[in-house]
Amino acid sequence: GENVEQHPSTLSVQEGDSAVIKCTYSDSASNYFPWYKQELGKGPQLIIDIRSNVGEKKDQRIAVTLNKTAKHFSLHITETQPEDSAVYFCAATPYSGGGADGLTFGKGTHLIIQP
Amino acid sequence: NAGVTQTPKFQVLKTGQSMTLQCAQDMNHEYMSWYRQDPGMGLRLIHYSVGAGITDQGEVPNGYNVSRSTTEDFPLRLLSAAPSQTSVYFCASSFGTGYGGEKEKLFFGSGTQLSVL
Repeated sequence: GENVEQHPSTLSVQEGDSAVIKCTYSDSASNYFPWYKQELGKGPQLIIDIRSNVGEKKDQRIAVTLNKTAKHFSLHITETQPEDSAVYFCAATPYSGGGADGLTFGKGTHLIIQP
Repeated sequence: NAGVTQTPKFQVLKTGQSMTLQCAQDMNHEYMSWYRQDPGMGLRLIHYSVGAGITDQGEVPNGYNVSRSTTEDFPLRLLSAAPSQTSVYFCASSFGTGYGGEKEKLFFGSGTQLSVL
């Protein structure tokens, strides 16, 4: 089955700086890579996703890059703000929409934005 | 638009007790699933369903039962709770695989925090 590694486990950045979270995956059949943001006491919220036929995708201050050859993908947040403080999870699956094996998640990155 | 609704939000059980965690969605999603979240472990799939009457096991199914009698509801049953089942449980849903675009996005409920003493 799929295995997703996520780094770092904790990331502290100054407000206004950029943050980068990296993930690697093991199953070459995976073709859908979503990122979720989880605030304290809430469920994970999808913030951006990318499919294997695309190398980069942007949505305002957040972007995701994918390197299928190296089996890694990254989340980039620019001009960080206090409301970006949360736990971020990457995931991978051969079946977008859930499918037979669901999403395989990384263990999460606690992003702390320092004022 | 309620999305994915989970009840209860908090529950404390004694070892050996049984209970049902409720999950309902109002988006006409075919795919529904249950995950558990443990510190340092990320989220792990317990069971899933691709439509009414169809369920299957995920990565960590032992100790849990599910059924899907309607499109909207997907309850998770603990028949004899154990301390190892202390966790936060999330229900998630989507239209399913093969639809493309927005319909394949997986949406999560707000979770049920379960403690088994």
